[in-house]
Amino acid sequence: QKEVEQNSGPLSVPEGAIASLNCTYSDRGSQSFFWYRQYSGKSPELIMFIYSNGDKEDGRFTAQLNKASQYVSLLIRDSQPSDSATYLCAVNIYSSASKIIFGSGTRLSIRP
Amino acid sequence: GAGVSQSPSNKVTEKGKDVELRCDPISGHTALYWYRQRLGQGLEFLIYFQGNSAPDKSGLPSDRFSAERTGESVSTLTIQRTQQEDSAVYLCASRPDRGSFGYTFGSGTRLTVV
Repeated sequence: QKEVEQNSGPLSVPEGAIASLNCTYSDRGSQSFFWYRQYSGKSPELIMFIYSNGDKEDGRFTAQLNKASQYVSLLIRDSQPSDSATYLCAVNIYSSASKIIFGSGTRLSIRP
Repeated sequence: GAGVSQSPSNKVTEKGKDVELRCDPISGHTALYWYRQRLGQGLEFLIYFQGNSAPDKSGLPSDRFSAERTGESVSTLTIQRTQQEDSAVYLCASRPDRGSFGYTFGSGTRLTVV
């Protein structure tokens, strides 16, 4: 089992709709969870992080964490064509609190 | 510097040659990471440096890979006797201290082994 799993996509969402990206992780002791956005040919950039169960909102982005189910998600409201990118879920590994493991990413495409 | 700087941005090398990749982290960032990203795939952890502590080398795929960092300065990743499967983008990231988990990534080095 991979440590961090994501659906590779592509996920196609119409402009203005809500895009929902999901991620599961295997290490029950993980404490910190991150969403990175990566445009084609570019390096990843951090867009959200969450430590506690529940929701965290930042502008059009909401991260949701459910530690009991080992599940983290990212919602993008009012999707824009500029949101088209690969979204990487990342989780810290409990045995090494400073090492973050990345999922393989979900490719999101916003269609006008 | 203002960001994480990596060089070269692109490197084409012949199979069997050695290559050296360089990362200059943001000034004052104590933690430095190397990741590898193959085409269409996620990021694969390679190695982590934290200040003067012993590095976490658990992600290095073989003994052909090594990395060095002196203090909180520049790091070099060396790949000896390169193989075609080493072709990937090598990304370096740094962050300020143990308590802050946000990475800043460099723009990467695209390595092609022919």
